[in-house]
Amino acid sequence: GAVVSQHPSWVICKSGTSVKIECRSLDFQATTMFWYRQFPKQSLMLMATSNEGSKATYEQGVEKDKFLINHASLTLSTLTVTSAHPEDSSFYICSASTRASYEQYFGPGTRLTVT
Amino acid sequence: GQNIDQPTEMTATEGAIVQINCTYQTSGFNGLFWYQQHAGEAPTFLSYNVLDGLEEKGRFSSFLSRSKGYSYLLLKELQMKDSASYLCAVRDSKAAGNKLTFGGGTRVLVKP
Repeated sequence: GAVVSQHPSWVICKSGTSVKIECRSLDFQATTMFWYRQFPKQSLMLMATSNEGSKATYEQGVEKDKFLINHASLTLSTLTVTSAHPEDSSFYICSASTRASYEQYFGPGTRLTVT
Repeated sequence: GQNIDQPTEMTATEGAIVQINCTYQTSGFNGLFWYQQHAGEAPTFLSYNVLDGLEEKGRFSSFLSRSKGYSYLLLKELQMKDSASYLCAVRDSKAAGNKLTFGGGTRVLVKP
């Protein structure tokens, strides 16, 4: 149980375009989803916390207009990187949690490369 | 805010023991996690400590001292496949929704 999927697993896009990444909890309802970014040889940096049906809470320094997060249902959250630039190239990982569990369940990650 | 420190890299020999330390400062503590992450993959859960003491799970053990703001992850009988990054993460009791803050990670290299 507690499986989280991400789609796509990798994507290459041109500078200036937008990319949408999906995060799904497959066998449970996630009251909260988290989006992280990880640059090479660095740790996970939390970008935003997303609760179903409400606006995401962004961490300091993360542009909410550039990284659009939608958590429309208890099993799906999306992250859209708008007007992507090469410096946005990174590994994006989502995780999901429920009120009943202390644990966050991580998705397999999405490798974004902006050319 | 939170501040989490762990060593950047450690090297050990196959079959040996390695201890990865993590110190933290937090405004509100509500649990400490250890994750393993292989390159290019998502983190996988190893352990969770919320009370002081040692939690043992097979070859992996984790210890917590809340008064000292200190934890360690102990890896015994090291195997080559244990070469990975190990992430210490603290949950903030004052943050909504189980928010975690991660340390920088410790890259462990296991040599034959």
